[in-house]
Amino acid sequence: GENVEQHPSTLSVQEGDSAVIKCTYSDSASNYFPWYKQELGKGPQLIIDIRSNVGEKKDQRIAVTLNKTAKHFSLHITETQPEDSAVYFCAASEIHNQAGTALIFGKGTTLSVSS
Amino acid sequence: DAGVIQSPRHEVTEMGQEVTLRCKPISGHNSLFWYRQTMMRGLELLIYFNNNVPIDDSGMPEDRFSAKMPNASFSTLKIQPSEPRDSAVYFCASSFSHEQYFGPGTRLTVT
Repeated sequence: GENVEQHPSTLSVQEGDSAVIKCTYSDSASNYFPWYKQELGKGPQLIIDIRSNVGEKKDQRIAVTLNKTAKHFSLHITETQPEDSAVYFCAASEIHNQAGTALIFGKGTTLSVSS
Repeated sequence: DAGVIQSPRHEVTEMGQEVTLRCKPISGHNSLFWYRQTMMRGLELLIYFNNNVPIDDSGMPEDRFSAKMPNASFSTLKIQPSEPRDSAVYFCASSFSHEQYFGPGTRLTVT
């Protein structure tokens, strides 16, 4: 089955710096890679996702890149702000048509942004 | 729009008792997922349904766990009997297509 590795487990940056979180996956059939942000006491919130037919996707200060050959994908947050502090999870899945499929999650990265 | 609704938000019970967690998915979503989150194991899928039909329950720890989805707007996860190692946060998520939206979770403590 699919296995997702995520690094680093913790990341501390100064406000305004960039943060990069990296994930690798094992199953070449995986074709959907979402990223979730989880704040303390809340459920994971989908922040950006990418499909395997795209190499990069941006949404304001966040971007995700995908390298299918190497089976790795990364989350990039630019101009970090204290409110970006949270636990970030990557995930991988093989999606078919319109049916839901299970997400396999990485272990998470705790991002701390200090002002 | 209301998101995924879970109840209760917190549950404290004694070992051996039955526990029922409830989930109302987002209206119009056709898939529902139950996840469990612990420090040791992270976020792991327990079971998911497509159009109210269980598709994959391979993540359900053992026979003490069961899940039902009697209709498109309601699902339950039951643990009977509960054990201290079941203590975790249980999340329900729903989707239409592939984007999954999570509820706020139920924090279960079994003493």
